[in-house]
Amino acid sequence: GEDVEQSLFLSVREGDSSVINCTYTDSSSTYLYWYKQEPGAGLQLLTYIFSNMDMKQDQRLTVLLNKKDKHLSLRIADTQTGDSAIYFCAEKSGATNKLIFGTGTLLAVQP
Amino acid sequence: DTAVSQTPKYLVTQMGNDKSIKCEQNLGHDTMYWYKQDSKKFLKIMFSYNNKELIINETVPNRFSPKSPDKAHLNLHINSLELGDSAVYFCASSRQFTTLNEQFFGPGTRLTVL
Repeated sequence: GEDVEQSLFLSVREGDSSVINCTYTDSSSTYLYWYKQEPGAGLQLLTYIFSNMDMKQDQRLTVLLNKKDKHLSLRIADTQTGDSAIYFCAEKSGATNKLIFGTGTLLAVQP
Repeated sequence: DTAVSQTPKYLVTQMGNDKSIKCEQNLGHDTMYWYKQDSKKFLKIMFSYNNKELIINETVPNRFSPKSPDKAHLNLHINSLELGDSAVYFCASSRQFTTLNEQFFGPGTRLTVL
């Protein structure tokens, strides 16, 4: 089946690094994504990684993928108050092409 | 200028009514989607159209009927609204369904059924 799990909440201090974790079950995943949802807004794609990569860096964002353990993480360096939002991981099923979203992690950044 | 737009932004209605939500994208994308986000922020796909053809139809009550008059529009009509339909509905679009499938989301329509 297709299941994507995330921890519900993460609190960090401004300037620290944040690490948001995600686990998935679908071994046919082709792409994995991180989306950000600010209050009252739609989801915005932050970054993605192809399933045959294990790391991708994009400015303050680092995505790590452990395909064997089906574990995806998003590291945000030098976290700012503007990073406070809900972060969703998603996987694209190789079987159905559908995006399956995780449960979302609320990141709270304390000044 | 808005890439994916939805109307209305808020919709408050009584149980049993019929309502529609409209979505338009100006990105020239081939594929459009409707998602439902419940009160716990869980996001689930409902429907997807590719070039006006239905390609994803999840287990959704048949009170929900999507309509795609052209590639740039995907509307959602809901008959006989129930309390459990209260949620935020997001429209999204992507260039293609089968490749990277980067989806662009609209701002959402918050539906409240009283």
